[in-house]
Amino acid sequence: QVQLVQSGPEVKRPGASVKVSCKTAGYTFTSYGISWVRQAPGQGLEWMAWISVYNGDTNYAQNLQDRVTMTTDTSTSTAYMELRSLRSDDTATYYCARIWLVAAGYYLEYWGQGTLVTVSS
Amino acid sequence: DIQLTQSPSFLSASVGDRVTITCRASQGISSYLAWYQQKPGKAPKLLIYAASTLQSGVPSRFSGGGSGTEFTLTINSLQPEDFATYYCQHLNSYLTFGGGTKVEIK
Repeated sequence: QVQLVQSGPEVKRPGASVKVSCKTAGYTFTSYGISWVRQAPGQGLEWMAWISVYNGDTNYAQNLQDRVTMTTDTSTSTAYMELRSLRSDDTATYYCARIWLVAAGYYLEYWGQGTLVTVSS
Repeated sequence: DIQLTQSPSFLSASVGDRVTITCRASQGISSYLAWYQQKPGKAPKLLIYAASTLQSGVPSRFSGGGSGTEFTLTINSLQPEDFATYYCQHLNSYLTFGGGTKVEIK
């Protein structure tokens, strides 16, 4: 079955970087895109970025594009999200999700379990 | 960029009630809209895609409608497990979520 398994919780200092992994299984990795979504405590969902695993195309939310990078490793079917220059308001649960193209629209069909990143001095 | 505005942001209802949540897009998006359910501490779950198509395994008491700029999610006969937060979503070049609607027990 399709699975997206994320790396464990992280605690970082302000100004540091964090790299979260999303290991996939149960499908052909290069056939679907991956998106990253975050959720600050008690807040709504915030889209961060998506990547086409097939050709490497990426698109980033404008408020994060200077600090975030998405990459993939097709040899291990793993996607990565790196966020730099961390601030306290980056404290959130970070989710990866598989992008599903259906009926000409794009939707997030399968999700990882989430990775809590805490930024604190 | 397309903005999605959900209403209400909070809804109090009883088991057995019929509830409707609205999602309005800042410009026409045809039927390219999804609805998700999120419970505390869990990842969101896809309920409806293409505005009105029920995802596999989702109970038939959930239904979606609308096109263009106005969309609805309706839950008929609310069950205890339906108390959660619901989000609408659209993706073209950028992915956008609505602000969420929390459905709580009255």
